[in-house]
Amino acid sequence: EPEVTQTPSHQVTQMGQEVILRCVPISNHLYFYWYRQILGQKVEFLVSFYNNEISEKSEIFDDQFSVERPDGSNFTLKIRSTKLEDSAMYFCASTAESSYNEQFFGPGTRLTVL
Amino acid sequence: DQQVKQNSPSLSVQEGRISILNCDYTNSMFDYFLWYKKYPAEGPTFLISISSIKDKNEDGRFTVFLNKSAKHLSLHIVPSQPGDSAVYFCAASARGNKLVFGAGTILRVKS
Repeated sequence: EPEVTQTPSHQVTQMGQEVILRCVPISNHLYFYWYRQILGQKVEFLVSFYNNEISEKSEIFDDQFSVERPDGSNFTLKIRSTKLEDSAMYFCASTAESSYNEQFFGPGTRLTVL
Repeated sequence: DQQVKQNSPSLSVQEGRISILNCDYTNSMFDYFLWYKKYPAEGPTFLISISSIKDKNEDGRFTVFLNKSAKHLSLHIVPSQPGDSAVYFCAASARGNKLVFGAGTILRVKS
């Protein structure tokens, strides 16, 4: 069964450092998403991406964040200068069509900022 | 952001009985609702969904009911099994866009 994969599973970084979280969405999917879950809080939407551009982003997704689909398979989230409050589980998701279709989630990357 | 609420943080059910998980929403623009199941250290796994044009959708042991006038949906699991023990998230979207999640309900099925 096809699945979304994410690497690394756990990333530890120092405050102010750049991190890149990687995702490989399901191969025939066209819509890609990043969500995050801070410990003890809800899963929150960060950004959606379609046709090589951002289609929607939340208030959390400020200038420190960027997304890219550098090739036909990877989808990355970059945080330019990490803050302590960026520590969270980051989930990538994809769906074949945006409307009325379930989003399939990856296993997540746990980001710890020290 | 309280657009999707799951007011029960936890639920404990005996194996073989029915589990009912509830979810309320406030945004009238939501037209698609989903339930996800999540184990620790894993991503959410899709369970079942329902469009706002329906009031019920069934898939095996899982049934989702939607009451639009009350802005309420529920997930029924019958019969409950120990392997169903997990965190269950209700999520909603408007016109197929981002998902808005509830806080989750921890389900424990006792054998």
